Amino acid sequence: DGGITQSPKYLFRKEGQNVTLSCEQNLNHDAMYWYRQDPGQGLRLIYYSQIVNDFQKGDIAEGYSVSREKKESFPLTVTSAQKNPTAFYLCASRPGTLHNEQFFGPGTRLTVL
Amino acid sequence: DAKTTQPPSMDCAEGRAANLPCNHSTISGNEYVYWYRQIHSQGPQYIIHGLKNNETNEMASLIITEDRKSSTLILPHATLRDTAVYYCIALFQGAQKLVFGQGTRLTINP
Repeated sequence: DGGITQSPKYLFRKEGQNVTLSCEQNLNHDAMYWYRQDPGQGLRLIYYSQIVNDFQKGDIAEGYSVSREKKESFPLTVTSAQKNPTAFYLCASRPGTLHNEQFFGPGTRLTVL
Repeated sequence: DAKTTQPPSMDCAEGRAANLPCNHSTISGNEYVYWYRQIHSQGPQYIIHGLKNNETNEMASLIITEDRKSSTLILPHATLRDTAVYYCIALFQGAQKLVFGQGTRLTINP
């Protein structure tokens, strides 16, 4: 069963702690993305990766970090430097550079207490 | 990428056709129109895309005006499960970034 998985669905952390959100895909897609969504708002791009061992900052990268050591995995770390980390985080992947259809995971809702 | 404008909300009766408009008056000749939707607390789902011809798939139809300044997404027989936020996006083929605006919140009423 192909798709994108994100875990966990709900995550709670104390302020000042780093937290890593998981994103895995078995679609053999080259590109992967992380978006953030705040209540009532559209999605904003945090980081993206077009190929293994390479990634670029999106519009709101400050306070976040990523790695792309494997094609199928693109974890996102929310660091203590992120001022307002509570949000809904969405991971997506795309087959290749000529396609614009992105496939999204179910999301992780992070709450920082 | 061209800016798109959508109404913030719409209502439609179950079983009727839902017609969602999108204005993209500054779209360039090789920018595509993409539609996604997001059901509450889920990830967005790709629906359909087109360049200048009308397109249809199992989910919806996309009607693009001849001047390409606007388009309409049509859900032919709306069901309660079509209640979602619908996003219209204009972008170049191969563009890395999807820019999601506020979209249209479509409510299907029984």
